[in-house]
Amino acid sequence: EPEVTQTPSHQVTQMGQEVILRCVPISNHLYFYWYRQILGQKVEFLVSFYNNEISEKSEIFDDQFSVERPDGSNFTLKIRSTKLEDSAMYFCASRATRGGTEAFFGQGTRLTVV
Amino acid sequence: GQNIDQPTEMTATEGAIVQINCTYQTSGFNGLFWYQQHAGEAPTFLSYNVLDGLEEKGRFSSFLSRSKGYSYLLLKELQMKDSASYLCAVLDSGGYQKVTFGTGTKLQVIP
Repeated sequence: EPEVTQTPSHQVTQMGQEVILRCVPISNHLYFYWYRQILGQKVEFLVSFYNNEISEKSEIFDDQFSVERPDGSNFTLKIRSTKLEDSAMYFCASRATRGGTEAFFGQGTRLTVV
Repeated sequence: GQNIDQPTEMTATEGAIVQINCTYQTSGFNGLFWYQQHAGEAPTFLSYNVLDGLEEKGRFSSFLSRSKGYSYLLLKELQMKDSASYLCAVLDSGGYQKVTFGTGTKLQVIP
């Protein structure tokens, strides 16, 4: 069964360092997302990506964040200069079509900023 | 914007029925999802409603009333493994199909 894969599963980084979280969405999907979940809190929308560009982003997704789909399969989230409060689980998701198809989530990357 | 409300926690007994409610106020609406999330894991899809009414899928059913901005997830014959968070999520009607999650309801099933 097709699935969204994310790497790494865990990442520990020092404050101020850059991190890149990687995702391989399901191959025929068109809509891609990054979500964040701080421990014990809700799943928060960060950004959506469609047709090779950002379609929507939240207030969380400031200039420190960027996304890229460099080669038609990978979908990456970069945090330029990490802060302690960026520590969270980051989920990538993809959806097939415009209609009511569900978002399929990857298993997440647990980012810890120390 | 989207405002989605769910109870924070619920407790129910193994074998019983539980109903988890979700209310929403949204600027655009193209359907509502329910997801299950076990601690430390990714959300997994349970159901999708776009028309009013009840959708049944095994032990789980989901109901939607668009005019009331209201949905519920009904879990029957509860099992211990149903202990998890249940997330209500609204699909935008805009072109880019944003999915916004509520705060989630943590369900504890007790013997």
